[in-house]
Amino acid sequence: DTAVSQTPKYLVTQMGNDKSIKCEQNLGHDTMYWYKQDSKKFLKIMFSYNNKELIINETVPNRFSPKSPDKAHLNLHINSLELGDSAVYFCASSPGERAGEQYFGPGTRLTVT
Amino acid sequence: GQSLEQPSEVTAVEGAIVQINCTYQTSGFYGLSWYQQHDGGAPTFLSYNALDGLEETGRFSSFLSRSDSYGYLLLQELQMKDSASYFCANGDSWGKLQFGAGTQVVVTP
Repeated sequence: DTAVSQTPKYLVTQMGNDKSIKCEQNLGHDTMYWYKQDSKKFLKIMFSYNNKELIINETVPNRFSPKSPDKAHLNLHINSLELGDSAVYFCASSPGERAGEQYFGPGTRLTVT
Repeated sequence: GQSLEQPSEVTAVEGAIVQINCTYQTSGFYGLSWYQQHDGGAPTFLSYNALDGLEETGRFSSFLSRSDSYGYLLLQELQMKDSASYFCANGDSWGKLQFGAGTQVVVTP
């Protein structure tokens, strides 16, 4: 059974396009996250939602907009894609009482050409 | 601010023991986590220390000393499949994790 799933796994698109990445977790966790991992493997948090409410919003261009329709889903929409957006994007979730214990999805490798 | 330091690479032979140290400078520290990531894969949760002391999970153990702002991950009885990157991370109560740059562990026969 898949715990945290993301679609698509790969995304290749041109500069200026708009794209979305979807994430779902079936662990019953209240908190979900989006991370960006660059080519040097540096992982950086972007957003976090707790029970559909935005609780972490790091310094991210406003071209990135997360949406949480319910606590099991957290989607990421990116407008006007730029070359620098190329990275692997990971969704994660955690139980509320152990926020340091996070479970990651398989990742979405985004390539902007 | 928050920053974590860990070695960039460690090489060891199968069956050996490896200790990956992690030092951090932070205010509002809540706990230290460890994650494993194989090339092309996703980070996988290994352990979380909210309190001082040693946590053991099979061949892997993690230690935290809050007074020293220091922790480590101990990998015992190394296997080839343990070749991966290992990240320490600290965070606040909301789960805002700051990750270290990662330690590449290379296991040789």
